[in-house]
Amino acid sequence: AQSVSQHNHHVILSEAASLELGCNYSYGGTVNLFWYVQYPGQHLQLLLKYFSGDPLVKGIKGFEAEFIKSKFSFNLRKPSVQWSDTAEYFCAGDTGRRALTFGSGTRLQVQP
Amino acid sequence: GAVVSQHPSRVICKSGTSVKIECRSLDFQATTMFWYRQFPKQSLMLMATSNEGSKATYEQGVEKDKFLINHASLTLSTLTVTSAHPEDSSFYICSASTPGGTRETQYFGPGTRLLVL
Repeated sequence: AQSVSQHNHHVILSEAASLELGCNYSYGGTVNLFWYVQYPGQHLQLLLKYFSGDPLVKGIKGFEAEFIKSKFSFNLRKPSVQWSDTAEYFCAGDTGRRALTFGSGTRLQVQP
Repeated sequence: GAVVSQHPSRVICKSGTSVKIECRSLDFQATTMFWYRQFPKQSLMLMATSNEGSKATYEQGVEKDKFLINHASLTLSTLTVTSAHPEDSSFYICSASTPGGTRETQYFGPGTRLLVL
């Protein structure tokens, strides 16, 4: 069965620290991958997406993610986090059935 | 960008009553909308896929007679929680896809928090 897993459940960083959130998927074929962010009290917003092509995907707010097919990974990165990046981050994937399968989420807390 | 709205944002109801939640795509047409449920501190779980003009497709374990879905137009899908019970209290989120074949992107509504007393 298709699945998406996020191993970091809660991450605490200081401002200006670098961020990497792990995401692994288990699909046999073509996969579309997404990262969404949910700020406190707000709805899910799309950070970035990967369909095909360049495996390094750049999104909004300085985030990027790299698709590594051999590792079944799609990790999210940001070189320098800000207090305003405090939020819940969800990795998600679809295999053509269009509905998304979400990871369990990672709560990022950035301390000023 | 694509905007999806939900109404109401929050609802409190008595056990046994029915609650209707609306999901609208404001600036695009969505032939397909999705309904998710999010429990506190957990991820989103897909409940059903709503197709305009046809019956919804429910995920395993989701009672279709309890969670009625209607997708009457290309911009509106409704979820009705019938005979709600306290265990139905949750955060219900809809999403709508922009057209794109196999490269669709889902845009999410702000969610509806349901509390059943």
